[in-house]
Amino acid sequence: ETGVTQTPRHLVMGMTNKKSLKCEQHLGHNAMYWYKQSAKKPLELMFVYSLEERVENNSVPSRFSPECPNSSHLFLHLHTLQPEDSALYLCASSQDGKVGVNIQYFGAGTRLSVL
Amino acid sequence: AQKVTQAQTEISVVEKEDVTLDCVYETRDTTYYLFWYKQPPSGELVFLIRRNSFDEQNEISGRYSWNFQKSTSSFNFTITASQVVDSAVYFCALSEAGYNFNKFYFGSGTKLNVKP
Repeated sequence: ETGVTQTPRHLVMGMTNKKSLKCEQHLGHNAMYWYKQSAKKPLELMFVYSLEERVENNSVPSRFSPECPNSSHLFLHLHTLQPEDSALYLCASSQDGKVGVNIQYFGAGTRLSVL
Repeated sequence: AQKVTQAQTEISVVEKEDVTLDCVYETRDTTYYLFWYKQPPSGELVFLIRRNSFDEQNEISGRYSWNFQKSTSSFNFTITASQVVDSAVYFCALSEAGYNFNKFYFGSGTKLNVKP
């Protein structure tokens, strides 16, 4: 148990659906991250929030929409996804989002399948 | 160019064998941090170790040890007397102090299979 909880653990959706992924951290951290992990590819950073402010949007398509209502919660809203968006989506948090020394703690991920 | 290279895609060993996972990194920063994570089948990345660029002392934690060599830009990870529970994907990562946020560069990972 790392203190980062992601729900749901598995999600199957059609290309016309709208769904949301949720991440909650219980570590008192100020920064949260979304990563995408596809088969045989390095982890791809999608978004970074530091003190609820988005500090990085790594050229992610607009069909992915993040939301960070407070420093403990992070959402990823999904709409009109493509089959190539099927992947494991990982959430992470760290004490500070602006210092390279900080350890990132990860959740168990949401396994997304787009049909 | 990749900042972190894990050339070994997959390694298979028999229980009790020692195994070394290689990690080579690239950076122009003088201050940087190196990390190893373990990803078991359950999915979450589990933090194993963090090293800063000014500390080249090797570290040992139980069956795990890490060899940091700035001269070769490598940060290798050795598991001694491997066990089946060590089966997982292991990721090496680099974080540079000069960036404007806490950005990790991950390697592609090495899948370790430990057979009984």
